[in-house]
Order: sequence, then structure tokens, then C-alpha cells
Amino acid sequence: GESVGLHLPTLSVQEGDNSIINCAYSNSASDYFIWYKQESGKGPQFIIDIRSNMDKRQGQRVTVLLNKTVKHLSLQIAATQPGDSAVYFCAENSGNDMRFGAGTRLTVKP
Amino acid sequence: NAGVMQNPRHLVRRRGQEARLRCSPMKGHSHVYWYRQLPEEGLKFMVYLQKENIIDESGMPKERFSAEFPKEGPSILRIQQVVRGDSAAYFCASSLGASGYGYTFGSGTRLTVV
Repeated sequence: GESVGLHLPTLSVQEGDNSIINCAYSNSASDYFIWYKQESGKGPQFIIDIRSNMDKRQGQRVTVLLNKTVKHLSLQIAATQPGDSAVYFCAENSGNDMRFGAGTRLTVKP
Repeated sequence: NAGVMQNPRHLVRRRGQEARLRCSPMKGHSHVYWYRQLPEEGLKFMVYLQKENIIDESGMPKERFSAEFPKEGPSILRIQQVVRGDSAAYFCASSLGASGYGYTFGSGTRLTVV
């Protein structure tokens, strides 16, 4: 889940389509995960979280899936809107704090 | 209920000067975390503090950087003798307890070293 300093992966979707953003985490002992949305010039904003005793959690238009076997997390956004355009980060708890993945830039085309 | 407050939002320093970044956690939160973000990159953990204690500073450069969270007042991230490579966005998060539950971020301080 550590940022490796590469250019952000990008995902481009049509308005109204569903988006799936993926994340591989590193620590098999992590028991709590959060998805954040970061718009340009702003701080990360909490979207949804999930604990390791669950494999799916739903919010408003968003669903997080957790596959502990392969250490994979995904964020599904239903009916993607222009306002969803942002960078999305997954974060895992690592000891005392949260560690972040590299992020994915989501662009929504009208 | 104010969120995590960071100030200043933007800070310009000349090389060799000191930068002080402040973070007031959410009300009731006693755990503070500092992260650094370069353009087009993720957030890199720097340091985790509780009131008057540094819990984990494994992400902090050994020289020129220091952090504190006094009994009264905000948490301070201090960068001495800044260099151009220190230019970045610095974000603070706070939580009720350890392990990330209730993690909330501030809007960040964008440091530019000229």
C-alpha cells in the first residue's frame, strides 16, 4: 500500500456508467481499510470503510469489496457523475496509522 | 463541529528559512498524523503523535524535520533550513483512537520553497 512515486493510473468513464477502482494492499495483518476521494487542491475525503471481518459494504452509490485471500480492495461507483472526477486512494491500517496506495485518477466524460 | 484545521493553507519560504505548519485536530481527537504529498503522488506517512508524545516517526527525515503535539495548542510540523525538495502538500489527519478509525484529514498546507 505504499506510494511508489509513479504517475497515477487513470480511469476514464462515461457519465452514467459504473466505475471500478482497484487497489492491492500489502499487509496481510491489516484489519481496516478506507477509500478516500481527493479533489484538486483539497485534502482526502472519507468515502467508505470496511473491516476485515466483512467482504462487502455498501454506501450511497458506492460499494467496497474486500478479498483478503489476494489482498485486494475495490471501490465501485454506480452511475458515475462528473462530480466524481478526482483521485481515489485506498488506505490500510498498518500498526498505528493508515498507509496509502498510489491512487487512481478517475475522469468522467460527459 | 469544526473538522481538522490546518494553517496556513499556502506557505512560501526561501531556501534556508524555517517552515512551521500547524494542525488543530477535530474536537475530542487526541491522535494526530502528518503526511506529505508530492504532485501526482500518494500520501506518504511522516509521523504519528498523541498529546505530548511521538508514537511513530518512521516516515520523518532524520534531519531538519521535527513534530510536536503539546498538551495545549495545535500540533506543529517544523522544517528547518528548507530546500526546494521540501516543496509539497503537507496533510494532517486526526482520529479518536489508534489504528485509523475515524481518520479525518485537514485541507493541507502547500509549501513552496523558492
